[in-house]
Amino acid sequence: GDSVTQMEGPVTLSEEAFLTINCTYTATGYPSLFWYVQYPGEGLQLLLKATKADDKGSNKGFEATYRKETTSFHLEKGSVQVSDSAVYFCALRKSGGSNYKLTFGKGTLLTVNP
Amino acid sequence: KAGVTQTPRYLIKTRGQQVTLSCSPISGHRSVSWYQQTPGQGLQFLFEYFSETQRNKGNFPGRFSGRQFSNSRSEMNVSTLELGDSALYLCASSLDPGTLYNEQFFGPGTRLTVL
Repeated sequence: GDSVTQMEGPVTLSEEAFLTINCTYTATGYPSLFWYVQYPGEGLQLLLKATKADDKGSNKGFEATYRKETTSFHLEKGSVQVSDSAVYFCALRKSGGSNYKLTFGKGTLLTVNP
Repeated sequence: KAGVTQTPRYLIKTRGQQVTLSCSPISGHRSVSWYQQTPGQGLQFLFEYFSETQRNKGNFPGRFSGRQFSNSRSEMNVSTLELGDSALYLCASSLDPGTLYNEQFFGPGTRLTVL
């Protein structure tokens, strides 16, 4: 079945450091890929998305590129802030049909220190 | 536009009881999905409803059920609660699935604790 694997956390960085959170997936066909963020005590918010190979999703300084050849969708940010501290989830959704289920990775806790 | 709302936000029950959680989607959204989030299993899909019909179901026992009303509001029910049902239950709504990209918007969740 479909699955998403993301790097184990927690990740602790200093403010202005470079961030990479690795994400790889297993799925048939051409899934859409997402990064969601969850702040303490809140639900999930969509951070960025990509719907086809070589698409780059970007938002709030975060970027991720859909790499079909390596089945990856790594999240990057050039300079993190304390306010970026949260749990980040990589997810996929199969394209076509009527199944809109999201399959999530386990999540990566990011802590940014001042 | 108001976001997805879930009630109650926190709930404490004892083993063997049953519980009903409610989700009100964003106005105009017809699809509602439910997810269970636990530290051990992460986020797992429970089921999805569209126009009052269950379209997709995850791999959960029959104790977990749901329904959707004509105004798209949805409820999920868990009967005969077990300790392992303690989790954050998240609801997500989305537009008509006919759109090419169908973003899901999540509510804040209901935190269920089973004692």
